Amino acid sequence: DQQVKQNSPSLSVQEGRISILNCDYTNSMFDYFLWYKKYPAEGPTFLISISSIKDKNEDGRFTVFLNKSAKHLSLHIVPSQPGDSAVYFCAAVGSGAGSYQLTFGKGTKLSVIP
Amino acid sequence: NAGVTQTPKFQVLKTGQSMTLQCAQDMNHNSMYWYRQDPGMGLRLIYYSASEGTTDKGEVPNGYNVSRLNKREFSLRLESAAPSQTSVYFCASSWTGGEDQPQHFGDGTRLSIL
Repeated sequence: DQQVKQNSPSLSVQEGRISILNCDYTNSMFDYFLWYKKYPAEGPTFLISISSIKDKNEDGRFTVFLNKSAKHLSLHIVPSQPGDSAVYFCAAVGSGAGSYQLTFGKGTKLSVIP
Repeated sequence: NAGVTQTPKFQVLKTGQSMTLQCAQDMNHNSMYWYRQDPGMGLRLIYYSASEGTTDKGEVPNGYNVSRLNKREFSLRLESAAPSQTSVYFCASSWTGGEDQPQHFGDGTRLSIL
C-alpha cells in the first residue's frame, strides 16, 4: 500500500500564476518531508523540506505547508515560471533507525504554459 | 562540479546476464543509496550504505547485491538479470542518513533486459 500519495499525475498552470502540488501520507511515523524536482533524463534534485514540528517553510518562490492532523502537505510555487516545468516528487522519512529510507510518491508532472 | 556520477548511462542486457552499475560521488558524503524508478512510479530504495564498510537492504533488495568499495564508490550488481529488473537506476549520496540531510542524485542508468 502506498504510504505517500500524489493523486494528481499532472498539472498545467499559466506562467505567473500559482502552482499548488499536493501530497498525502498514511504513516504516522513520518516526521520529515521533502520535495524533489526532476527534469527528463536527469536525476531528482532537492527543492525544499519541512520538519513535522513546523507547519510552513519558505524558500524564495517555493513554500511547503504541512497539515499533520490531515496528513497532508502541499508545495506552492509563486509565481510559476516555464523553467519550473518538471516532475515533482514528494518524499517522507521517519526518525530513528529508519531515517535512511526515503519513501517517494509517484510524482506530479507540472507544465507551466508561457 | 561532478557530484554523483553513474556509469553506464544506458545498457541493454539479455535475461540471465550479469552486470555491475557503478556510482561515484565527489562530495565526501558518508551515506550512499541505490534506487530504482519504474514507469509511473516513485523511486524505491534497493540498498543503502550508511557509511564506508556497511550496507543494508532497502524496500526492494531481491535480485541485487551491492559493494561499498570505498567512501566515494558504491556499486550495484545484478547477478542474473530478469526482465522485471528493467528500470531506471539512480544512485544518491548524503552527508549522513539523518532526516534533515537531503540526498543528491546522479542522472541515472537506463537498463533494459530482454
